[in-house]
Amino acid sequence: GQQVMQIPQYQHVQEGEDFTTYCNSSTTLSNIQWYKQRPGGHPVFLIQLVKSGEVKKQKRLTFQFGEAKKNSSLHITATQTTDVGTYFCAGTTGTYKYIFGTGTRLKVLA
Amino acid sequence: NAGVTQTPKFQVLKTGQSMTLQCAQDMNHNSMYWYRQDPGMGLRLIYYSASEGTTDKGEVPNGYNVSRLNKREFSLRLESAAPSQTSVYFCASSYRSVDEAFFGQGTRLTVV
Repeated sequence: GQQVMQIPQYQHVQEGEDFTTYCNSSTTLSNIQWYKQRPGGHPVFLIQLVKSGEVKKQKRLTFQFGEAKKNSSLHITATQTTDVGTYFCAGTTGTYKYIFGTGTRLKVLA
Repeated sequence: NAGVTQTPKFQVLKTGQSMTLQCAQDMNHNSMYWYRQDPGMGLRLIYYSASEGTTDKGEVPNGYNVSRLNKREFSLRLESAAPSQTSVYFCASSYRSVDEAFFGQGTRLTVV
């Protein structure tokens, strides 16, 4: 079945450093979404990517969808303490259900 | 707007007991989902309902049943709880199945 893996599992960075998490699917995806979950909270939608090679930016966050639509990345420039949380990708092959990745837990040290 | 509301927020069950987790959304969404979250495992889809009147199995449906009571409500039932079902359960909804999902606050379930 479809599997979505994320690396790294954990990342500790100093405030101001950059951070990247990678998402890899075993199958070609039609769409990919990214979510953020604060400690003790629930996942909150960040963005959706649909097109091959698509790049979208939200302030310090840059999202990319691979050319083959089997991988994606989230890059945060100059991390802040408010960026702390777990970042999940979720991909679908178009079968009405999204499969979530294992998540990357980000800790930002002030 | 309340968004997605789950009840209860916390529950402790004994092995073999049954219970129903309730979920309601007030956003006129068509699709609804139940996920479980375990440490290091991300979110795994239990069941989903692409539209009112339909339900389908997700990745980990064994031990669970669902009911899409109406467009607003989607319940998850554990018929005979097992310790392996100790988890945080999230309900989510989206306008269409390809759209962004809105999550409830979660139910922390412990089975002893």
